[in-house]
Amino acid sequence: NAGVTQTPKFQVLKTGQSMTLQCAQDMNHEYMSWYRQDPGMGLRLIHYSVGAGITDQGEVPNGYNVSRSTTEDFPLRLLSAAPSQTSVYFCASNKAGRGTDTQYFGPGTRLTVL
Amino acid sequence: GEDVEQSLFLSVREGDSSVINCTYTDSSSTYLYWYKQEPGAGLQLLTYIFSNMDMKQDQRLTVLLNKKDKHLSLRIADTQTGDSAIYFCAEILNTDKLIFGTGTRLQVFP
Repeated sequence: NAGVTQTPKFQVLKTGQSMTLQCAQDMNHEYMSWYRQDPGMGLRLIHYSVGAGITDQGEVPNGYNVSRSTTEDFPLRLLSAAPSQTSVYFCASNKAGRGTDTQYFGPGTRLTVL
Repeated sequence: GEDVEQSLFLSVREGDSSVINCTYTDSSSTYLYWYKQEPGAGLQLLTYIFSNMDMKQDQRLTVLLNKKDKHLSLRIADTQTGDSAIYFCAEILNTDKLIFGTGTRLQVFP
């Protein structure tokens, strides 16, 4: 299993550009999430999905869109990039439900918006 | 509230014990977690504790939970240079959301 994969690893955008961060998992997990990590602020949940066709907002959803057309893929779209979106983005997946189920994280995408 | 707070830095000598502290505010948390993030990598689950427990030991790791004070700690015995990383505590809410703390950067020096 490749686990959770993210592409690209690094990206530089100009203000106003759009792009899609890709996330895929091959563990047949139902639950997938996107976080952003900023210094001194830990990880903040952007959007999450509890299964194909179902998405919901996290703490900081503004400026981001997601879709979940398959179990494997959960892309994150930046509609019009802003410097405040400069961050490291992590995708994670786990089996549905609460509890001891481990959340597996991808290696991250470091995004800089100029 | 959904705040999870940690001190930002901890520096210890190799071989000593490290204690990383965390406070949370949501009393409905069912599980609390400790994650480790090494440089340039994603987060890796280290250990977890159910809210009706007050202690859990897993090899060099000891988790203590004081539910009355909403305080969680992670003790690493015999700290090694390979333990240098950022450690995040996290709580899971009834909505299945995982709320992370700000992270504590542990620096181990020889």
